[in-house]
Amino acid sequence: QKEVEQNSGPLSVPEGAIASLNCTYSDRGSQSFFWYRQYSGKSPELIMSIYSNGDKEDGRFTAQLNKASQYVSLLIRDSQPSDSATYLCAAEHGSSNTGKLIFGQGTTLQVKP
Amino acid sequence: DTAVSQTPKYLVTQMGNDKSIKCEQNLGHDTMYWYKQDSKKFLKIMFSYNNKELIINETVPNRFSPKSPDKAHLNLHINSLELGDSAVYFCASSQARGQPQHFGDGTRLSIL
Repeated sequence: QKEVEQNSGPLSVPEGAIASLNCTYSDRGSQSFFWYRQYSGKSPELIMSIYSNGDKEDGRFTAQLNKASQYVSLLIRDSQPSDSATYLCAAEHGSSNTGKLIFGQGTTLQVKP
Repeated sequence: DTAVSQTPKYLVTQMGNDKSIKCEQNLGHDTMYWYKQDSKKFLKIMFSYNNKELIINETVPNRFSPKSPDKAHLNLHINSLELGDSAVYFCASSQARGQPQHFGDGTRLSIL
């Protein structure tokens, strides 16, 4: 079992729709979770961080965390073609206290005009 | 001002050579990291330093040696380069352990 798992996609949504990206993790000790966006040929860019159960909203982005189900998601409202990228989910390794992040393999999002 | 900067951006070299990649951050962060992103785009931690102290040393060949002369700099030296070392290497920094990490632009290493 992979430590952080994402559907590689591609996930295709029409412009203006809600894109829903999902991620599961295996380490029950993980406390910190992050979503990064990576355009082709570019570096990962932090979009959201979430540390406690529930929803966290920032503009068009909402991160959701459910520690009991070991599940993290990212919703993108009013999707734009410029949102087309690979989205990486990352969970901090629970027991090491080193800041070590375990990344999923990423989900490719395509927003069609 | 670039927050996390790496040099060089591209590195093309032959098998068996030794090369270094440099990273500098001007964010005042305490923790810095090296990641490798392979051809399948999988991003994996290699090393991390916190205030010049090595705190993460993943299972990488000992041909890879990180060095942190101060908390704003983290360099990566690679000896006897092999074909499998071809990848993009990213430097990142965070204010502290567990805080969000900010990535540099990456160094694309190609081994001929």
